[in-house]
Amino acid sequence: NAGVTQTPKFQVLKTGQSMTLQCAQDMNHNSMYWYRQDPGMGLRLIYYSASEGTTDKGEVPNGYNVSRLNKREFSLRLESAAPSQTSVYFCASSEDWREGAYEQYFGPGTRLTVT
Amino acid sequence: QQQVKQSPQSLIVQKGGIPIINCAYENTAFDYFPWYQQFPGKGPALLIAIRPDVSEKKEGRFTISFNKSAKQFSLHIMDSQPGDSATYFCAASAGGYQKVTFGTGTKLQVIP
Repeated sequence: NAGVTQTPKFQVLKTGQSMTLQCAQDMNHNSMYWYRQDPGMGLRLIYYSASEGTTDKGEVPNGYNVSRLNKREFSLRLESAAPSQTSVYFCASSEDWREGAYEQYFGPGTRLTVT
Repeated sequence: QQQVKQSPQSLIVQKGGIPIINCAYENTAFDYFPWYQQFPGKGPALLIAIRPDVSEKKEGRFTISFNKSAKQFSLHIMDSQPGDSATYFCAASAGGYQKVTFGTGTKLQVIP
């Protein structure tokens, strides 16, 4: 099993450009998440998806949109990138928390720079 | 608004030492407290987790101590090794996955 995969690994954008970060998991997990990691800030939740067909905002959703394409895939879109969105983005997945499965499995991250 | 405060920001110990990382929380609804370990260039991975009905949990060289009345919990690493050098995040959640709040992280360096 590959676990959680993310593409691309690195990306440089100019202010105003758009892009989509891709995430896929092969663990048959119901829940998926997008975080951003900034120095001194820890991990902050951008959006999450409890199950296929549902998405909800996290702590820092402004400037982002998400799509839960199917059970495996959860994408994050930046419509008009800003320098403040320079960060490392992590996708994660977990089994159904309602079954008591809380552990989140993280992908390797996408390092995004917006100039 | 930071709901989980983590300290110290960085820590250097010698091999064999016992680094201690502390976290404090405010939300009394939190009922699950995991610690994640992150190596450079990698995503975080669950290390150990505790629920508030116990005061201590051990897994190998890693121990979580939990003080419900003080709303604090800490990670101890016994007999630390250079391979333990990583960033450690405490976290807390309330009633489900969507409320996971992470601390700001502690960068640990274990020197030989």
